[in-house]
Amino acid sequence: SQQGEEDPQALSIQEGENATMNCSYKTSINNLQWYRQNSGRGLVHLILIRSNEREKHSGRLRVTLDTSKKSSSLLITASRAADTASYFCATAVNDYKLSFGAGTTVTVRA
Amino acid sequence: GAVVSQHPSRVICKSGTSVKIECRSLDFQATTMFWYRQFPKQSLMLMATSNEGSKATYEQGVEKDKFLINHASLTLSTLTVTSAHPEDSSFYICSARVKAGWIQETQYFGPGTRLLVL
Repeated sequence: SQQGEEDPQALSIQEGENATMNCSYKTSINNLQWYRQNSGRGLVHLILIRSNEREKHSGRLRVTLDTSKKSSSLLITASRAADTASYFCATAVNDYKLSFGAGTTVTVRA
Repeated sequence: GAVVSQHPSRVICKSGTSVKIECRSLDFQATTMFWYRQFPKQSLMLMATSNEGSKATYEQGVEKDKFLINHASLTLSTLTVTSAHPEDSSFYICSARVKAGWIQETQYFGPGTRLLVL
C-alpha cells in the first residue's frame, strides 16, 4: 500500500531556480529514499536518508528528514532542464519493501 | 555497477495471451527482486516480492495465478501475465536488492516494460 504523499503534485520553475518538494508518510521507517523517473523510463536512485539522520547532501540535492513530523523534503538547487522528471519518495520499513509516494512532476523551463 | 535490465522493453499482445517479462541483475547477485506496476501519471504499486528459490510473496489484491513470478537464480526473475486482458496494460518495473555484504537498503530498478493488451 502507498503510504507517502507528496506535495506539490506538479512544479514548474525557471532554469537556475531551486525546486523543493515534500513527502509525508504515516508509519515508522528505517529509511526514506528519493528517486527520479524520466517519462516512460525506470527509476534512478537519488539519495537515501536513514531514520537517525536529519539532513543529507549529494551534489545539488539536499534532503531533510523530520521523523517527529513524519516528513521529508528534497531540494534541487540551481535547476537544469535535465532535471525535468517525476520525483518520488519511498519509505522502507523492517523488511525493506518500498512504499512510494504519489510523486511530484517537475518541469524546468529553459 | 548495479545494473538491472528488463526484457522486453515494450510488448503488444492480443487479449487472452500470456506475456513473460524478464528481470536480470547484470553485475551483482540479487537476494530479492520486486515487481511493481505503474499506471500513467501514477506512482509505483508493489505487486510482489520474489526471493531466489522460494515462492513469491504477493501484495494484497494481486492475483498470484494471474501474475506468475519465478525467481530461478540470483540474477533472474520472471513475471508472466497470464491470459492478459486490456486492463492489464501498464508499465511493469522490477527492482533488485543486493545480496548480504553489500548495502542492502538500496533497490536498483530496471528500465521498465510497457505492456499493451489489445
